[in-house]
Order: sequence, then structure tokens, then C-alpha cells
Amino acid sequence: KAGVTQTPRYLIKTRGQQVTLSCSPISGHRSVSWYQQTPGQGLQFLFEYFSETQRNKGNFPGRFSGRQFSNSRSEMNVSTLELGDSALYLCASSPGTGYGKLFFGSGTQLSVL
Amino acid sequence: GIQVEQSPPDLILQEGANSTLRCNFSDSVNNLQWFHQNPWGQLINLFYIPSGTKQNGRLSATTVATERYSLLYISSSQTTDSGVYFCAVERGTSYGKLTFGQGTILTVHP
Repeated sequence: KAGVTQTPRYLIKTRGQQVTLSCSPISGHRSVSWYQQTPGQGLQFLFEYFSETQRNKGNFPGRFSGRQFSNSRSEMNVSTLELGDSALYLCASSPGTGYGKLFFGSGTQLSVL
Repeated sequence: GIQVEQSPPDLILQEGANSTLRCNFSDSVNNLQWFHQNPWGQLINLFYIPSGTKQNGRLSATTVATERYSLLYISSSQTTDSGVYFCAVERGTSYGKLTFGQGTILTVHP
């Protein structure tokens, strides 16, 4: 089985722009969750989608949004980028029914200049 | 929210040494996982272990849910074990919402 695929691998944006990141989960997995990793705050949960519905949301401003498509692929969007949004963004997939292992992609490294 | 504390924050070993990493959590959990983050940033799932003991090669993990801690054992360490080890927990109906510890940075010298 192919693993979790995230694109692009690297992104450079300037303040005020918006960005869209993509995540394709493992085949058959219906849950996709997103995390932000920074040196100062560590790994923080952004949101989780299951069958196109957001089930859980972390404590991030409304500039951070996401969606999931019928094929379980997910996108997250950050609008009006700030310098502090520079981070590694990781997505994870799991079957979504009950508890179990989460499998992570390689991440998207976003730099905001 | 739930607090997850890992110790030690840093660990330096010679190849061949054994080590134990600890994860304490502040409340009951339904899910506990250990991850290894490699130098390229990818998080590799090592164990899904809400309770009990599991082994996978040179690695093993034990979670004592009633006492709210988990241990990750690495035996006969190799340079490729270097990286950051994270413990993460999930509770209630927060599916997919893992709370991570701050990690243990492991450096294994040849």
C-alpha cells in the first residue's frame, strides 16, 4: 500500500498570501488529521476530518481551514499568512473508526518571508 | 487539556548501549503511540500501546495505564536510531487528535 502523500514538500510564501496544502491518505483510510510542528510549540493538532466532516478542531485562528473530499483526500488552507505560520505541516491518516495507529506523511515545510 | 511529559529531553549514547525513554500523562487515555521522527521530518509509528507490553525487534514498549506512564526501551542502539522520539495520547471522542509530548532527542555515536 502506498503511504500518506503530502504535496508540495516545500513552499515559500510572503506575508499576506494564502497557501493550500494537500494530503492523500492511505487507501481505505477515511480519517485525515493535520498537525503543525514548530521548534517553539512542538507538534500541535489543527483539525481532523472523517467522511468529509470535521470531527475535531484544535486551537488555531480561523485563518486555518481544511476540507476533505469524497475520495478522502484532504486540503488545508492558511489565509493571510504571518511569519509565525512558518512550520512543518504534517498530515496523518487512519481508518477513522475507533482508536488505532496514525500514519504520517513526510510533511510540507512552509516558510513565510 | 491533558498534559504529556517526556524524559529525558536529551540523550547521548554510544552505539550498542541500551536506553529507556519515559512518557507521563496527566489523565486517562484511550490511545498511546510512540513515534520516531527521522532527520527528514517524517514521523514513523513505532507502537500503538494504550496498555500492556509490545516488542518489535530491538524496541519494546510498556504502558501502565493505571499509573499513567509509558516506557520505550531501545536495546543495542545503532546510529540510525538517532532522531526525536515522541509519545502521543488520545482520549475521549477526540479521534485523530493526538496530544504530543515535547520529545526526547536521541543521539547515538558510532
